[in-house]
Amino acid sequence: NAGVTQTPKFQVLKTGQSMTLQCAQDMNHEYMSWYRQDPGMGLRLIHYSVGAGITDQGEVPNGYNVSRSTTEDFPLRLLSAAPSQTSVYFCASSFSGGGGYGYTFGSGTRLTVV
Amino acid sequence: TQLLEQSPQFLSIQEGENLTVYCNSSSVFSSLQWYRQEPGEGPVLLVTVVTGGEVKKLKRLTFQFGDARKDSSLHITAAQPGDTGLYLCRGSSNTGKLIFGQGTTLQVKP
Repeated sequence: NAGVTQTPKFQVLKTGQSMTLQCAQDMNHEYMSWYRQDPGMGLRLIHYSVGAGITDQGEVPNGYNVSRSTTEDFPLRLLSAAPSQTSVYFCASSFSGGGGYGYTFGSGTRLTVV
Repeated sequence: TQLLEQSPQFLSIQEGENLTVYCNSSSVFSSLQWYRQEPGEGPVLLVTVVTGGEVKKLKRLTFQFGDARKDSSLHITAAQPGDTGLYLCRGSSNTGKLIFGQGTTLQVKP
């Protein structure tokens, strides 16, 4: 019963480096999303996808790219890391993007940019 | 801008005490969810409420959706250390926008 799997769990990057945060789900969910969680800011939506081949921007998309080539995978790419991107990142999936469906979250990636 | 305000932000209580946390908005939501997040983990869905005035119970947790669907409360009876965590509410507006509150951090001391 894997649910949503995120890798890596922890990562330290230098300013300007790029990296990809991986997210995979095995529940055949159509909807997937990426959030960042910062103290006092709550969960903020970065990007989301309503199905394979379809992605859209959320509340704080700058500096991040996503793609959705399969139903299962939804990687998040940091193009040129900045200290402001230090955060905990969560991937979440749902049967549908509708509000009545609950999210299943991964366990998060704690990213530090120095 | 739609906002979900949670109160209190922090709550520290002794084991066995009762508590209530609140999730309020000036806007109407078609549904509202509560999540609990433990340190180092992602949030986990506790309940979804969709009908104004709806009350749902999950063991010692009681969730209520306001009659006007603008607010919700979570009441915990006889809190236990295992209840410690961050409690988040998430609302779905009538336009489909999903919004998280900033959360209530609960610490239950043995």
